[in-house]
Amino acid sequence: QVQLVQSGAEVKKPGASVKVSCKASGYTFTSYDINWVRQATGQGLEWMGWMSPNSADTGYAQKFQGRVTMTRNTSTSTAYMELSSLRSEDTAVYFCARGDRGPSSYFDFWGQGALLTVSS
Amino acid sequence: SYELTQPPSVSVSPGQTANITCSGDKLGNKYVSWYQQKPGQSPVLVISHDSKRPSGIPERFSGSNSGNTATVTISGTQALDEADYYCQAWVSSAVVFGGGTKLTVL
Repeated sequence: QVQLVQSGAEVKKPGASVKVSCKASGYTFTSYDINWVRQATGQGLEWMGWMSPNSADTGYAQKFQGRVTMTRNTSTSTAYMELSSLRSEDTAVYFCARGDRGPSSYFDFWGQGALLTVSS
Repeated sequence: SYELTQPPSVSVSPGQTANITCSGDKLGNKYVSWYQQKPGQSPVLVISHDSKRPSGIPERFSGSNSGNTATVTISGTQALDEADYYCQAWVSSAVVFGGGTKLTVL
């Protein structure tokens, strides 16, 4: 069965960087994009961007341009999201989700989420 | 920037029909997906392509999209349907989510 298993919770200081992983199993990793979505406590879902495991192409939401980097390791079927210059407002649960880009995009499988706390 | 607007909350009695709307400019020209999220859990896809139910999603969930409004309908609402619901669309090479609607079954 399709599974996306994310790395654990992180605590970082303002200005630091964090790298969250998302290990895929149960399907061909290179056949679907991986998207990243975050959710602050009590708030809605916020899309951060997509990464193609096949080509390594990426597309980032304008809000995160210059601060986010999405990569992958096809040998381990793992996607990564690195966010830099962290601030307190980045405190949130970060989800990876499988799904293609484009007009018919939807996310059919999600990771369990990884809590990031940014605090001095 | 493009916005998807959802009512913050909707209430429904058990067994009745719940309609959750999502509004956006010419939204009917785009595909809309819907996600259910229960407290402490990851979102679950309940509707894609405006009206398609993924495998495992009960038949009581249905969707429509026309004009400026997309709607997810839950027929015969059950207590276990109480959750937050989010609409989502692809707009100008980016994903947009609605603000979410809390469905209360009381």
